Amino acid sequence: DIQMTQSPSSLSASVGDRVTITCRASQRIYKYVNWYQHKPGEAPNLLIYAASSLQSGVPSRFSGSGSGTDFTLTISSLQPEDFATYYCQQTYSTWTFGQGTKVEVK
Amino acid sequence: QVQLQESGPGLVKPSETLSLTCSVSGASINNYYWSWIRQPPGKGLEWIGYIYYSGSTTYNPSLKSRVTISIDMSENQFSLKLNSVTAADTAVYYCARLFRGSYWYFDLWGRGTLVAVSS
Repeated sequence: DIQMTQSPSSLSASVGDRVTITCRASQRIYKYVNWYQHKPGEAPNLLIYAASSLQSGVPSRFSGSGSGTDFTLTISSLQPEDFATYYCQQTYSTWTFGQGTKVEVK
Repeated sequence: QVQLQESGPGLVKPSETLSLTCSVSGASINNYYWSWIRQPPGKGLEWIGYIYYSGSTTYNPSLKSRVTISIDMSENQFSLKLNSVTAADTAVYYCARLFRGSYWYFDLWGRGTLVAVSS
């Protein structure tokens, strides 16, 4: 299986901060990466698909980039509702997820 | 507004079969792919498999020998059966709608349901 190594596993940030989360694939996966946001007790929410395409209805402060093996999710200005856990997922081969990044209040 | 809701027993005995249902409201189950994903406590997400409304299925090879996903168009729901369960199958189980275009992604999820495997 393709391993998705997500970093950091957690981070502390303040409202207004720029936040960057990275996902590295164990082999080349072109742009077959999606990003999800998950808050406790809620349904996970799709943010980005195909590495850089913003899902409809998702605020423009979220963006994704990368191709090949290295991918990034960026929140340009962290808002109170953005404190959550974020997961990357690859759909190139037998779909797998990263271990998650928990964004906490600093 | 499309919503997905998982339901089923919260406790299953070892060696028995875990059975869950995902009810879809606000949209027809037709013309979409539907999937199950799980998350063991303290661990990451694991994709289990998916089904097309036609009934064709694809499973994660690591679970394929124990998994069956089926669909009930009349009830607008789909189901998961996982047999011969062990404590390692304790997890929050999510159902999700799968979008298939040039890329695949889960565009809608349920809130999940916790299933514990214990005697």
